Amino acid sequence: VQLVESGGGVVQPGGSLKLSCAASGFIVSNYGMHWVRQAPGKGLEWVAFFRSDGNAQYYADSVQGRFTVSRDTSKNMLYLEMTSLRPEDTALYHCAKGSRPYYYYIDVWGKGTAVAVSS
Amino acid sequence: DIQMTQSPSTLSAFVGDRVTITCRASQSINNWLAWYQVKPGTAPKLLIYKASTLEVGVPSRFSGSGSGTDFTLTITNLQPDDFATYYCHQYNAYPGMFGQGTKVEIK
Repeated sequence: VQLVESGGGVVQPGGSLKLSCAASGFIVSNYGMHWVRQAPGKGLEWVAFFRSDGNAQYYADSVQGRFTVSRDTSKNMLYLEMTSLRPEDTALYHCAKGSRPYYYYIDVWGKGTAVAVSS
Repeated sequence: DIQMTQSPSTLSAFVGDRVTITCRASQSINNWLAWYQVKPGTAPKLLIYKASTLEVGVPSRFSGSGSGTDFTLTITNLQPDDFATYYCHQYNAYPGMFGQGTKVEIK
C-alpha cells in the first residue's frame, strides 16, 4: 500500500494549484481518503476528507470554500484543488488513507508534496 | 470543534527510559483516538488506534491508554529509532483535530 503525492510548487497569493495523489496496493474508492498538511515548524492540520461512497466531502474551516477534494476511480487517484491561496497555506501536504469507508483513523500516509505561497 | 491538548511539547530522555505523553480532548471522544510518529522526510506512521490497539508491526514497547477525554502514549525502553515527534488525533467527529505534537529528544 503506497501513496505518492505530486503537484506542489511555488504559487503567488491568490493563485491556484491542484495536488495529485497516486494510490497503489489498494482501491481508493473502497476507503475514505484524507488530506493533512504541516506548515513549516508547525504541527499536523487535518484539511479535507472524501468519503468512499462519494456522497460526502468534509473540510477544515480554514480551507472551506477555497479547497476541493475529488477522486478519479479509473486512475485510482485523489486530488486537492486549491484556489485563493494564502501565505498561511504554505505547508507539506500529505495524502492519507482512512482505515474505513467512512470518517475514521488514518492508517497509511504519503510523504507529502510541498506548497509555498509567496510573492 | 473538539480541541486536543497534548503535553509536553518537548521532552528529553535517555535511551532505555520510559516516557509518557498525554493528550486531553475538550469533550468526550470515547476511545476514538490514534497516535502517530512523525520523522522529517518520511511519511507519518500509525502507532495506535482506538486509544490502545497497537497497529500491526509496531513494537510492543509502545502502548496507549485512556478513554473519554484523557489519553496517554507510553514508550518503555526508549530506543534510538524512537526519537521523533508524536501526535494524537481524534476521529470521533470531523474536523479531526490533532494535538500540538510532542518532540522526543535525546538527552
